[in-house]
Amino acid sequence: NAGVTQTPKFQVLKTGQSMTLQCAQDMNHEYMSWYRQDPGMGLRLIHYSVGAGITDQGEVPNGYNVSRSTTEDFPLRLLSAAPSQTSVYFCASRGLSYEQYFGPGTRLTVT
Amino acid sequence: GQQVMQIPQYQHVQEGEDFTTYCNSSTTLSNIQWYKQRPGGHPVFLIQLVKSGEVKKQKRLTFQFGEAKKNSSLHITATQTTDVGTYFCAVIPMDSNYQLIWGAGTKLIIKP
Repeated sequence: NAGVTQTPKFQVLKTGQSMTLQCAQDMNHEYMSWYRQDPGMGLRLIHYSVGAGITDQGEVPNGYNVSRSTTEDFPLRLLSAAPSQTSVYFCASRGLSYEQYFGPGTRLTVT
Repeated sequence: GQQVMQIPQYQHVQEGEDFTTYCNSSTTLSNIQWYKQRPGGHPVFLIQLVKSGEVKKQKRLTFQFGEAKKNSSLHITATQTTDVGTYFCAVIPMDSNYQLIWGAGTKLIIKP
């Protein structure tokens, strides 16, 4: 089991560019989520999905889109990158006891 | 909305000293989870507490859930350099939609 995988590990964008952060899990978990973590801060929920075809907004959804066409994949799209979106992005999937399994993260810098 | 207070924000200890972080909620919780994040790493699930007054141990780590199910603590005995990182609590309130609410974390720093 690879668990939760994320690509890329690092990314630098210019303001206004768009990109997709990839996330995949091989644990057959229905629930997946995206968080951002700013330096020295906790985790803030961006979007989540309770299953294929179902997504919902978290605490800080503005500027991000998600889709969930399969159980395994949950990509996060940045529509028009802004410096305020410089952060570390973590994807997670949730097990049967509500415990979360995190991917290794994508470190994004927007200049 | 629902908030979780985690204290302290930082704790500096000498290697071998003990470390404790506290997680407090204003409302009754269904359960509480603890995670560890090493510097540059991702959060890793440590444990989940569900029952009132529950105490669980993992080697030098002791986790407690308060009798009122509103607070919890994580205690590390005789810290080692491998314990360095940030410890987060994450809670699920009673009668909620099972979304985790995260504490801000306590950073454990070992003094040189």
